[in-house]
Amino acid sequence: ETGVTQSPTHLIKTRGQQVTLRCSSQSGHNTVSWYQQALGQGPQFIFQYYREEENGRGNFPPRFSGLQFPNYSSELNVNALELDDSALYLCASSLRTGGVNGYTFGSGTRLTVV
Amino acid sequence: DAKTTQPPSMDCAEGRAANLPCNHSTISGNEYVYWYRQIHSQGPQYIIHGLKNNETNEMASLIITEDRKSSTLILPHATLRDTAVYYCIVRLDTGTASKLTFGTGTRLQVTL
Repeated sequence: ETGVTQSPTHLIKTRGQQVTLRCSSQSGHNTVSWYQQALGQGPQFIFQYYREEENGRGNFPPRFSGLQFPNYSSELNVNALELDDSALYLCASSLRTGGVNGYTFGSGTRLTVV
Repeated sequence: DAKTTQPPSMDCAEGRAANLPCNHSTISGNEYVYWYRQIHSQGPQYIIHGLKNNETNEMASLIITEDRKSSTLILPHATLRDTAVYYCIVRLDTGTASKLTFGTGTRLQVTL
């Protein structure tokens, strides 16, 4: 079975720009969650997508948005980038209720905002 | 969200058992305890999870106290490759969404 893949692996953007990060879920998984991990911190939940709809959101502003596609892959979009958006962005896929093996994380996209 | 508390760091000699504690005193009855680990700059790796019974798999054992206010992850024979940050996580299920609430993590250093 294929795991979760994220692209790109690294990205540098300028403050005020927009960015799109991509995630392909593990085979058989229908739910995708996005997390932000600042340096030295634990991952923080951004939002979750199930059946192409956002069905849960953490404490992140509306300029963080996402999409899920019919093949369960997902995108995370961040508008008006700020310096504090610099972080590792992690995608995790799962079955609706977590499943036996929990959530499978990708290796992340390292975003640097300058 | 139920919070978790973990020691910031621990050391373990290779070949010995590593016992990583976690406090989750505000956990509610329908919240699961998950353990993940993260090796530098990689995505978190699932280890084990449980609700109230002790669990064991090929990687580790999870011991949950009867009152569910704390748990211990046991790596029975630690190796250098087990050096990582270990996160104890309470899974909140809101009915429409299920998210992982990561704690501060324990940095486990396995030494020769």
